[in-house]
Formats: sequence, structure tokens, C-alpha cells
Amino acid sequence: QKEVEQNSGPLSVPEGAIASLNCTYSDRVSQSFFWYRQYSGKSPELIMSIYSNGDKEDGRFTAQLNKASQYVSLLIRDSQPSDSATYLCAVAATQGGSEKLVFGKGTKLTVNP
Amino acid sequence: SQTIHQWPATLVQPVGSPLSLECTVEGTSNPNLYWYRQAAGRGLQLLFYSVGIGQISSEVPQNLSASRPQDRQFILSSKKLLLSDSGFYLCAWSVRWSEKLFFGSGTQLSVL
Repeated sequence: QKEVEQNSGPLSVPEGAIASLNCTYSDRVSQSFFWYRQYSGKSPELIMSIYSNGDKEDGRFTAQLNKASQYVSLLIRDSQPSDSATYLCAVAATQGGSEKLVFGKGTKLTVNP
Repeated sequence: SQTIHQWPATLVQPVGSPLSLECTVEGTSNPNLYWYRQAAGRGLQLLFYSVGIGQISSEVPQNLSASRPQDRQFILSSKKLLLSDSGFYLCAWSVRWSEKLFFGSGTQLSVL
């Protein structure tokens, strides 16, 4: 069973700080990685995708991928109270002969004003 | 642009009653379609996926079923709901396998 592990949190940071969210995965051949944001009672929203080793920046968000160490992270700079949500890591993994997205259980982030 | 519609937003059903949740996608053809369930405090569980009309694969044996009568329509059903069926049900679509998923707004189902 391919797994995606995230710290459940809660992770609490002050407004304006950098929030760092981490994710590890077990499928060594995974090639596609995604971060979703989910507000309480709402559906997940895609915020970042990354496919190659290194950093990918989009506004205040930076995704970092290290395939050798099998981890992917999400940095949120200048954190805002509106960033308070659960962040889900998703990894494309091969299960039962087909490839599908496997989700972690999410890290709950709270940004304090 | 592509959009995904899912309804109803909330549903309260008695144990033993039937269930029908519907999802439609606009602005794309032959999408991969998925049904997920998210129980309170738990991760996303893939229930069913479909790569084409009439093609349904089940991930978890249970009293739920899915159907895809049209290219962009996906339906989740049950003949008799159990208490354990309560949860947040999400429909999603993707262009192809292992690509980014786009989720509908979800249905909060409470079985009492």
C-alpha cells in the first residue's frame, strides 16, 4: 500500500511568518506531486503542482521536491489569517497496476493575527 | 473553462434509506471521474473511478455503487444507507490518470 505521510498538526504560526508543511511518500517512482488547500467544510482546492526536483514558486507559495529523499514540502511566506486551513499533499502512485493520486491526511495550519 | 457541479450540498437521511448523489462536468470531454469520501478527522478515501461511459472501478467494497450514464455525468448510489456512510462526499475530475484533480463543492451526508 503506497503511503503519503503528513504531520497532522495543528501547526500554528504568527501572521507574517513562514509556514513550512512537509510530506513524505513511499512510492519511489512517483512523478507528480500536488498540494491542496481545504477550508473547513469546503472541498480541496489545488494550489501547487510540482514534477521536477527543486523549487517551484507561485506568489507566496513555494513547493520543494526531493525525489531522492522522497519528500515534498510547501512553504507559505508572509502567512495570512486567510491561509488558515488544512493542507493536503497528494502523490501519484502506482496501486493495483494503475496510477492514481494518494492523499495524505493533511496538516492543519492556523495563522494567528 | 471547465466546471464541475455537485449536488445536493447537504443531505440528512435515515438509516436504510436510498441515496443518489449526482455530479456533472462541463467544458471537457472524456474526463476521468472520481468519487471520494472524507470522514470526520480522516483523509480522502477513493471510492470509485471511471475512465469512460459505463466503466466503473471500485476501490472499497461497501454498500455504495456508482454509474456513469453519460460522458460527463457521474452518480453515486446506495440502496440502503448505513450509519457508517456519513461523511463528506466529493466528486472530482481529471484529464488523465495521475494528473491534477479538480473537486466539486461536496455533499455533507448525515445518516441518522
